[in-house]
Amino acid sequence: DTEVTQTPKHLVMGMTNKKSLKCEQHMGHRAMYWYKQKAKKPPELMFVYSYEKLSINESVPSRFSPECPNSSLLNLHLHALQPEDSALYLCASSRGVLGVITDTQYFGPGTRLTVL
Amino acid sequence: GIQVEQSPPDLILQEGANSTLRCNFSDSVNNLQWFHQNPWGQLINLFYIPSGTKQNGRLSATTVATERYSLLYISSSQTTDSGVYFCAVGRRISNFGNEKLTFGTGTRLTIIP
Repeated sequence: DTEVTQTPKHLVMGMTNKKSLKCEQHMGHRAMYWYKQKAKKPPELMFVYSYEKLSINESVPSRFSPECPNSSLLNLHLHALQPEDSALYLCASSRGVLGVITDTQYFGPGTRLTVL
Repeated sequence: GIQVEQSPPDLILQEGANSTLRCNFSDSVNNLQWFHQNPWGQLINLFYIPSGTKQNGRLSATTVATERYSLLYISSSQTTDSGVYFCAVGRRISNFGNEKLTFGTGTRLTIIP
């Protein structure tokens, strides 16, 4: 099974709201990623988690707050977003284990976020 | 950072035609993947191909790492092949196999019945 699931599929929120995106995988992967994709653009990396620890933050504004509570779950907490944050948010995972040079990243279906 | 360019940016073909999509990258990489993004946004893995040649049905891919390019071949196109094709290159960022993927600019393929 190479499935990564994301909820919700769609989210509409106001600029003062607090919401969370959820990502889950049960492949035993130890690396998990958040990407952001604007319309007609390629996905761009936001965060990388390795063994539940944040290893990369691509200078993402603090209104995006990632969390990895266990090896299967990745959250992205959203607060005080701006309309320009409207995008498709994609989660991915890969094996990410010691000794593996690189490996396939598997992507979830994404959450389409609209900020009003 | 590493630059990834894809060509052509747009391609319109009749059903049954063959096509070649190209991905050029500016530096050495540990990983190269090809994805198909369907109209709903799902990124579907096509190939993990940091070097060499692979085939899967009507699709095949070749990466020449020393010359920093990869090609995706689609034969006998079907309407379901429509969508955006991305290559993405990765560089290892630790000893734990996690990495930073940089996506190319994409090729939008439209197959006409």
